[in-house]
Amino acid sequence: DAMVIQNPRYQVTQFGKPVTLSCSQTLNHNVMYWYQQKSSQAPKLLFHYYDKDFNNEADTPDNFQSRRPNTSFCFLDIRSPGLGDAAMYLCATSRDPPDTQYFGPGTRLTVL
Amino acid sequence: QKEVEQNSGPLSVPEGAIASLNCTYSDRGSQSFFWYRQYSGKSPELIMSIYSNGDKEDGRFTAQLNKASQYVSLLIRDSQPSDSATYLCAVGVQGAQKLVFGQGTRLTINP
Repeated sequence: DAMVIQNPRYQVTQFGKPVTLSCSQTLNHNVMYWYQQKSSQAPKLLFHYYDKDFNNEADTPDNFQSRRPNTSFCFLDIRSPGLGDAAMYLCATSRDPPDTQYFGPGTRLTVL
Repeated sequence: QKEVEQNSGPLSVPEGAIASLNCTYSDRGSQSFFWYRQYSGKSPELIMSIYSNGDKEDGRFTAQLNKASQYVSLLIRDSQPSDSATYLCAVGVQGAQKLVFGQGTRLTINP
């Protein structure tokens, strides 16, 4: 089945220790999104790639970076995680925005 | 002013009743509308999409869109305890590459 896969599902890191989250898709969609979601809040868009074009949200901290080496994969790098970065990180894809987005299962990040 | 607004709830509905979830949006250029369901600790999953004025039915779910009033709703008939979740309304604007999400409505179905 075509799907969006995120690894790992749970990630524990130490304050200030860089961490990378991974997203892959078999849907062959043009656009890949990264969201941050904290408890009882709506998903907050961090950035997205339309093909190779990177689009950063204005309020996304510089601490968050992303890479998309090919159509299938996209990575979220947190250079120096703080306690406030503990959240669920969601990857989503879309074929022809602003159409349907399909979400992966998410990665729960804990910062100690 | 928020672009997409939902009542955060919680909305409590008895089992078997109709649950009505509402969403308003501010951008008249909006062209695509989505309802996602999100269980606690899980990722959002698509329930319904709607693009034209009127009703769209899928099983126990009906989405209603009124572009003149900038209003989209989701009705859940014969509500089940398994429908207890947060429901996110998302809106797509012509020319944009992203969706704007509402804050979500937490729905509880009481047995």
